[in-house]
Amino acid sequence: ELKVEQNPLFLSMQEGKNYTIYCNYSTTSDRLYWYRQDPGKSLESLFVLLSNGAVKQEGRLMASLDTKARLSTLHITAAVHDLSATYFCAVDMADYKLSFGAGTTVTVRA
Amino acid sequence: NAGVTQTPKFRVLKTGQSMTLLCAQDMNHEYMYWYRQDPGMGLRLIHYSVGEGTTAKGEVPDGYNVSRLKKQNFLLGLESAAPSQTSVYFCASRGTGGASYEQYFGPGTRLTVT
Repeated sequence: ELKVEQNPLFLSMQEGKNYTIYCNYSTTSDRLYWYRQDPGKSLESLFVLLSNGAVKQEGRLMASLDTKARLSTLHITAAVHDLSATYFCAVDMADYKLSFGAGTTVTVRA
Repeated sequence: NAGVTQTPKFRVLKTGQSMTLLCAQDMNHEYMYWYRQDPGMGLRLIHYSVGEGTTAKGEVPDGYNVSRLKKQNFLLGLESAAPSQTSVYFCASRGTGGASYEQYFGPGTRLTVT
């Protein structure tokens, strides 16, 4: 059974500082996804990481994938209030099913 | 192009009642999924379908049934609702081939069972 662990589960960020969210998974997979969810809303796709060493960046967010270590990171640069949300990583399984982490709830304070 | 839509958006049921949640997608996707989201647990897969006329169990299938009679629709049924099924339900779809790696999620259905 594939297990996906995110940490931390809660992250209080100070505006302007840098932070990292970690996503570990237990079995081999070559595809990993990051989603953002605002309260009461659906999931918004942030990144699709398709191979070992993949790195993608969008604005203040950068995601990377190390399939050998079974680890992905979501790095936040110079946090701003608009980044307050819950972030999920998810790993591909057979039949393109996704196994999700528990989510990291991010709050950005002034 | 509406993407993935879900009906209804909200519903309150009494224990023992039944209901059907409808998911529709207009992207001609082969794969469709039903997830539930509970606080602190991320999304968990209930059932999924790899094509019209097919269904398969996911991680938490007990108490739910599904049907995929048409490619664009995926129905989730609760035959006898229980308070433990209070949750937010998300449908998703995904294509195959090319760069169709993303799952597209619907807006969700918030279900409360009293």
